[in-house]
Amino acid sequence: GQQVMQIPQYQHVQEGEDFTTYCNSSTTLSNIQWYKQRPGGHPVFLIQLVKSGEVKKQKRLTFQFGEAKKNSSLHITATQTTDVGTYFCAGPKTQGGSEKLVFGKGTKLTVNP
Amino acid sequence: KAGVTQTPRYLIKTRGQQVTLSCSPISGHRSVSWYQQTPGQGLQFLFEYFSETQRNKGNFPGRFSGRQFSNSRSEMNVSTLELGDSALYLCASSMGQRTYEQYFGPGTRLTVT
Repeated sequence: GQQVMQIPQYQHVQEGEDFTTYCNSSTTLSNIQWYKQRPGGHPVFLIQLVKSGEVKKQKRLTFQFGEAKKNSSLHITATQTTDVGTYFCAGPKTQGGSEKLVFGKGTKLTVNP
Repeated sequence: KAGVTQTPRYLIKTRGQQVTLSCSPISGHRSVSWYQQTPGQGLQFLFEYFSETQRNKGNFPGRFSGRQFSNSRSEMNVSTLELGDSALYLCASSMGQRTYEQYFGPGTRLTVT
């Protein structure tokens, strides 16, 4: 089953409101990645966080990696209609001696103009 | 630099048939991963190839197989198609042996009737 949990599954906001999605892992992650998938599109890499407590910003997007490296969040300030899409977090999990990237189920964001 | 390409983009097959999907990674990328995306299950990891070797495999039946060629291009094959195999199949490439950021192709939309 899913080893990276993401909440909420859906979020509907009015344009200009803030938005946050949370990602939790049962085990410590060496890094966490965030992706955005626009409707009808494919996932696009946004950012990777590596350090405990790391915070990175991309314009209106703020990404955080928890101190224990088991959780992460993506916060969007003052959403715009261009922010519409599904946001996925992904973390590497070791299986059979090699790593694979495990994705959360994503948070689908809709923005009402 | 050209992105990840996948062919074909759309495919309609009948139950029991088999299908082969193709993926050309970004030039210089040696790792190719395949994912199945469905509305209910999200992004599910199928397998990863690095330097023509399968490094990791997800929890899919043996009907799903893949390979990678010396030029890093990859193919995946699904035999004895079932209705439940209808999905978007995404290929992603990355640079190295670790779980670097994934660059996704546009996907192949497979419909099984």
